[in-house]
Amino acid sequence: ETGVTQSPTHLIKTRGQQVTLRCSSQSGHNTVSWYQQALGQGPQFIFQYYREEENGRGNFPPRFSGLQFPNYSSELNVNALELDDSALYLCASSLDGGRARYEQYFGPGTRLTVT
Amino acid sequence: DQQVKQNSPSLSVQEGRISILNCDYTNSMFDYFLWYKKYPAEGPTFLISISSIKDKNEDGRFTVFLNKSAKHLSLHIVPSQPGDSAVYFCAASGDAKRQLTFGSGTQLTVLP
Repeated sequence: ETGVTQSPTHLIKTRGQQVTLRCSSQSGHNTVSWYQQALGQGPQFIFQYYREEENGRGNFPPRFSGLQFPNYSSELNVNALELDDSALYLCASSLDGGRARYEQYFGPGTRLTVT
Repeated sequence: DQQVKQNSPSLSVQEGRISILNCDYTNSMFDYFLWYKKYPAEGPTFLISISSIKDKNEDGRFTVFLNKSAKHLSLHIVPSQPGDSAVYFCAASGDAKRQLTFGSGTQLTVLP
């Protein structure tokens, strides 16, 4: 069983640029959630995708957008990068239905630095 | 407004003793609670969970207690081992979309 993978591991971008982060969900999981974790804080929910549709969104501006593909992999896109976007971005996958829907499996994250 | 709070940023415990990590929440709509463990350079790993219809759930050395009236939950680790040293996050969910709201974490250090 393959776990959640994310790429790239680290990324450095300049303010105003755009970035795309990628995530492959755990085998069989049809739901992907993205979180932003700032230094010293817990992960903060960005949005969730289920069957290629956005299925919930946290308090993040529209310049944070995403996609989910038929194989359940996902992308997070951030436009017009700001210094405060510097954080660890975590992808989590889960199964639909019952208690399993709450238990999310996280990837190792992508460390984004905006200068 | 932080809906899930972990007021202790760090905790040190001697190997073999009990570790107690605490978490408070403010949102009455939360009905499912989870604990995650995070090692450096890895993503959070699910540890144990509890539904709001229960007040205790046990899995090996780990027990989670829920006090709904106080909006408080705690994670007990007995006995603590050096490999338990990690950041522990409390998380809560209250909607069908499974959005998790996390606390800020507690760094547990188990001293040999």
